[in-house]
Amino acid sequence: GQQLNQSPQSMFIQEGEDVSMNCTSSSIFNTWLWYKQDPGEGPVLLIALYKAGELTSNGRLTAQFGITRKDSFLNISASIPSDVGIYFCAGQETSGSRLTFGEGTQLTVNP
Amino acid sequence: IAGITQAPTSQILAAGRRMTLRCTQDMRHNAMYWYRQDLGLGLRLIHYSNTAGTTGKGEVPDGYSVSRANTDDFPLTLASAVPSQTSVYFCASSDYHNTGELFFGEGSRLTVL
Repeated sequence: GQQLNQSPQSMFIQEGEDVSMNCTSSSIFNTWLWYKQDPGEGPVLLIALYKAGELTSNGRLTAQFGITRKDSFLNISASIPSDVGIYFCAGQETSGSRLTFGEGTQLTVNP
Repeated sequence: IAGITQAPTSQILAAGRRMTLRCTQDMRHNAMYWYRQDLGLGLRLIHYSNTAGTTGKGEVPDGYSVSRANTDDFPLTLASAVPSQTSVYFCASSDYHNTGELFFGEGSRLTVL
């Protein structure tokens, strides 16, 4: 089946720093999504990307759908303590197909 | 607005025992899913249901069964629990169009001794 490689696995940063994480796939996806999981809760959708090359922002978060359709990245600018959590990328091969999730990036923000 | 409700929140279980994790949604979503989350492995799909009355196997279905008697409920059963099933289990749902947005419950932490 498809595999998503997400990196880095973990990040320890200072408040105010920018963060970047990415996901690569062995398959082409039509949809890329980024989820965040707060400690003790279920994942919540942050950004959805539906077109190759698309760049989408949600507040301090920016995500891009790679031109090859095999990768995506998520940037967080000016990190704050509440950005702590696990960030998951997910890909969908076709509309309506099941998602494949990456292994997650554990983000720690030191005040 | 409840969304997805999972029960129990956490459970410690002896190996060999039967256990059912409950999941209920009030969003009238057609599709529902069960994932397990393990450190370093992300979220892995156990079983899914595209609509009431149908179910399918995901990436790691062995040792688990599901049923979908109606739109709202999607229980996950471990017939005879084993220690490797110690994990955090998440139920999720999505609407008919399934644009990729899944709505997750808060999880059920299961420990099998």
